[in-house]
Amino acid sequence: DGGITQSPKYLFRKEGQNVTLSCEQNLNHDAMYWYRQDPGQGLRLIYYSQIVNDFQKGDIAEGYSVSREKKESFPLTVTSAQKNPTAFYLCASSLRQGVQPQHFGDGTRLSIL
Amino acid sequence: AQKITQTQPGMFVQEKEAVTLDCTYDTSDPSYGLFWYKQPSSGEMIFLIYQGSYDQQNATEGRYSLNFQKARKSANLVISASQLGDSAMYFCAVTGTGGFKTIFGAGTRLFVKA
Repeated sequence: DGGITQSPKYLFRKEGQNVTLSCEQNLNHDAMYWYRQDPGQGLRLIYYSQIVNDFQKGDIAEGYSVSREKKESFPLTVTSAQKNPTAFYLCASSLRQGVQPQHFGDGTRLSIL
Repeated sequence: AQKITQTQPGMFVQEKEAVTLDCTYDTSDPSYGLFWYKQPSSGEMIFLIYQGSYDQQNATEGRYSLNFQKARKSANLVISASQLGDSAMYFCAVTGTGGFKTIFGAGTRLFVKA
């Protein structure tokens, strides 16, 4: 079955450490997104990518980085510059540009040790 | 700028009854899309229904319908014949021109009682 796979499901980060969240899709979708969800809040856009080797900052990109070397993969790195990284991270995709997120992964919950 | 307001942090409904989840939006884009997503306790987001700003009729998808009142900037979700599996968080969202800056509301948690 087609879908989005996020790993790991739970991730712990030490102070000053960079961590990378994986997002893989086999839907042949062009566009991919990373969202952050905090308790009691909706999703906020971190980064999005319309096509391979291209990505754009969302509303809360500071302290995060991404790459899009393959169509299927859109990993998110939470750097040490992100001072409050504890949150639930969701990866999403859509078939093409200009379409809202259609499929979401199951999420990664990141916590600080 | 775009904004979504969901004023109901939590809602209770009796199984088999209908429930309306409120959503108001604000956008400066002349053309936009409105969406509802369901998030069960497992965490994944499930797309439920879409309404285009120029659509003449309210969108329906099975037991879900969107009560779209453009002049009031309102896009309420109506779930008919509630089921226990409908218990989840529900998010309203708006996407303007370009389709990338989808803004989500804070969500409404729905509890369906047996």
